[in-house]
Amino acid sequence: DAGITQSPRHKVTETGTPVTLRCHQTENHRYMYWYRQDPGHGLRLIHYSYGVKDTDKGEVSDGYSVSRSKTEDFLLTLESATSSQTSVYFCAISLRGGNTEAFFGQGTRLTVV
Amino acid sequence: AQSVTQLDSQVPVFEEAPVELRCNYSSSVSVYLFWYVQYPNQGLQLLLKYLSGSTLVESINGFEAEFNKSQTSFHLRKPSVHISDTAEYFCAVSDRSYGGSQGNLIFGKGTKLSVKP
Repeated sequence: DAGITQSPRHKVTETGTPVTLRCHQTENHRYMYWYRQDPGHGLRLIHYSYGVKDTDKGEVSDGYSVSRSKTEDFLLTLESATSSQTSVYFCAISLRGGNTEAFFGQGTRLTVV
Repeated sequence: AQSVTQLDSQVPVFEEAPVELRCNYSSSVSVYLFWYVQYPNQGLQLLLKYLSGSTLVESINGFEAEFNKSQTSFHLRKPSVHISDTAEYFCAVSDRSYGGSQGNLIFGKGTKLSVKP
């Protein structure tokens, strides 16, 4: 398995609270991604990063922010969690972007009650 | 913008039967194409990829996919499936025009393959 660690693996939180998910990699890959997976929707890109402090929005970025202060860490923050953000969140990394294989973490199951 | 259509959300099949999982993408521009597999409660793993060259690509566990530019398709096939192939399969596309940098992966909605004994 690629060296990707997501934490926490499971979280239950209340509506309106802030939540931060962490993705840590040991592969020194340049690109990092946050996806959410929902039944019937497949995987949808939330935000991605192409270097330290270089991030951009994906398809479903509303309500989410990210930060990447070090190559190995990519944080996803829900500023004020809503029930619609209940999902499984996957972090992925790739060496050179869209023409190279993406490696996925094990996922974080987030429930907003 | 690119989009990916996986035509079947669920495919039930008996063990040792052949299977085809269909994938079409929206644009005729040059693309990179991928199939990923997700086993229950796990992340996604790359199954195979088309970047250039031969339009037929194979995986180590017997799956193959053929890139058809005229039909904008990348269907996944296996001549004889096993119980262990039960999983969800995702087709993904990346736009070459970004030079492989910001050409992010766009995923289909997935096909659940269920292999019955």
